[in-house]
Amino acid sequence: GAVVSQHPSRVICKSGTSVKIECRSLDFQATTMFWYRQFPKQSLMLMATSNEGSKATYEQGVEKDKFLINHASLTLSTLTVTSAHPEDSSFYICSARDAANYGYTFGSGTRLTVV
Amino acid sequence: ELKVEQNPLFLSMQEGKNYTIYCNYSTTSDRLYWYRQDPGKSLESLFVLLSNGAVKQEGRLMASLDTKARLSTLHITAAVHDLSATYFCAVVPSGSARQLTFGSGTQLTVLP
Repeated sequence: GAVVSQHPSRVICKSGTSVKIECRSLDFQATTMFWYRQFPKQSLMLMATSNEGSKATYEQGVEKDKFLINHASLTLSTLTVTSAHPEDSSFYICSARDAANYGYTFGSGTRLTVV
Repeated sequence: ELKVEQNPLFLSMQEGKNYTIYCNYSTTSDRLYWYRQDPGKSLESLFVLLSNGAVKQEGRLMASLDTKARLSTLHITAAVHDLSATYFCAVVPSGSARQLTFGSGTQLTVLP
């Protein structure tokens, strides 16, 4: 089946630094990828929709200058958290739509801790 | 704005018992999905329901979809401890840009 690889799985960074998270579709081409954020004991909240070769579409309330998304190829999307602060600590999950099977495959998630 | 409501939010049940999780959504939808999430992990796909009346079963879990009522159910039969997890339903609105909208999740604990 479709596989989405997400790295790193866990990262600890200092406040004020930037962190890049990668999401790759391994055996299919993903023209659209999605980035979610999940706080403990809560549901997934869509942050942005990443479209290959064009600008990402951000959900209301998500700062596009803080959460930089790049989708330069059909198999790779990246999320960069810039000038991270402790309140950015969360579980970030990417997803890609597998159009052939109507499915959405999720990456393994990245646990970000900002200290 | 699409709203997806799940209930119950928390469910404790004894092994061997049956129970149903409900997922209501507020607008017309093309597809409905069920996912499982274990603590500290990402989502695992359980079912994709594509049409009214669709029913899918895998092991002790069975999902159904009633698009007219805008309701999906996830039925658990003879629960076992390994089913303890959080279950999410998610909906793609008709004509949308294909992003999923998630319910709040149901945290299931199966007690011995």
